[in-house]
Amino acid sequence: DTGVSQNPRHKITKRGQNVTFRCDPISEHNRLYWYRQTLGQGPEFLTYFQNEAQLEKSRLLSDRFSAERPKGSFSTLEIQRTEQGDSAMYLCAWTRQDSYEQYFGPGTRLTVT
Amino acid sequence: AQSVSQHNHHVILSEAASLELGCNYSYGGTVNLFWYVQYPGQHLQLLLKYFSGDPLVKGIKGFEAEFIKSKFSFNLRKPSVQWSDTAEYFCAARGYQKVTFGIGTKLQVIP
Repeated sequence: DTGVSQNPRHKITKRGQNVTFRCDPISEHNRLYWYRQTLGQGPEFLTYFQNEAQLEKSRLLSDRFSAERPKGSFSTLEIQRTEQGDSAMYLCAWTRQDSYEQYFGPGTRLTVT
Repeated sequence: AQSVSQHNHHVILSEAASLELGCNYSYGGTVNLFWYVQYPGQHLQLLLKYFSGDPLVKGIKGFEAEFIKSKFSFNLRKPSVQWSDTAEYFCAARGYQKVTFGIGTKLQVIP
């Protein structure tokens, strides 16, 4: 148990629909990261939060992507007007404030048809 | 830009064989290095990490890695693999805040 839950675990949606994923880390006082992983690739950094502040966003995160972490606890990642290229596993990870060891959740697998 | 290269994308070994997976990173400043493992159907787990000090680091399940600064390398090793080591292995590097992962190496151990 890495102390991270992600919901839903699987999501199938039609192109053009909006989807939202949720990540619940074990503790509020930590950094929280979002990654995207496609087949045959390693996780690609999307964005991260220090408590409730979003401190860095990847160029991969187009205008259709938005992430929030209200109150520095759980986080949501929303994709608007999904495209087939958005199909991937979306991973959430957290680290303690004094460490950079990342604890990964099980991921949400998105399939856009 | 920060990047991580893994040389072997798919490795097949017999049980008891020795393992070495290559990893090179590019980053100009102080870097923290990691190896993560993903067993079939499971989430990513940390195998070992290097922050500073002894360049030879030991991780879980008999794995170790050596940080060679002059070669920008952080290769993963295990003297004798087991069937249960079948998994995908990812090298990762942290520069300022962002962690960059390599493409991964799929290890298949044949009994």
